[in-house]
Amino acid sequence: GIQVEQSPPDLILQEGANSTLRCNFSDSVNNLQWFHQNPWGQLINLFYIPSGTKQNGRLSATTVATERYSLLYISSSQTTDSGVYFCAVNAGNNRKLIWGLGTSLAVNP
Amino acid sequence: ETGVTQTPRHLVMGMTNKKSLKCEQHLGHNAMYWYKQSAKKPLELMFVYSLEERVENNSVPSRFSPECPNSSHLFLHLHTLQPEDSALYLCASSQDYEQFFGPGTRLTVL
Repeated sequence: GIQVEQSPPDLILQEGANSTLRCNFSDSVNNLQWFHQNPWGQLINLFYIPSGTKQNGRLSATTVATERYSLLYISSSQTTDSGVYFCAVNAGNNRKLIWGLGTSLAVNP
Repeated sequence: ETGVTQTPRHLVMGMTNKKSLKCEQHLGHNAMYWYKQSAKKPLELMFVYSLEERVENNSVPSRFSPECPNSSHLFLHLHTLQPEDSALYLCASSQDYEQFFGPGTRLTVL
């Protein structure tokens, strides 16, 4: 089955810094989602991005499907950005999401 | 209420108890999901209900029993759980492939 790898596993930033999170997947996918899990466990949808580039405020994402990776950019990080960032993919006609292990981000004031 | 809601948010139960988790989606979606999230492990899909079918992960023990009475409501019935079942249980819904999650129920089995 498809493997999803995220890097780095852990990241510590000073408030105001920029960062790039990476998601590699081992086969073709139909769908890719980025989520932020806050300290209370809520999974928040960031991007639905099977290909191309999208931006939402300080966050943007790029998926290069032909090279099997996606990047999540966080600019001018804030303490509220802390939490775990997950990448998840679908393949074929299957509704099942395959998840990475996440990147744990801590933004210090 | 908007989005996907889950109740209760926290649950502590003994191994001999029977309890149920409830999920409701207000998005008009046609599929609903139960996930289990344990520490240091990927999210584990437990069950999917959609217009087309019910799909279950064959590794889920029979002490977890799902019920989906309609497209907006999903339950997870729990009985004779084990301490290793302590985890965050997340419900999600989707219309196509993009899934939206509820806040989760944090379950502790004593």
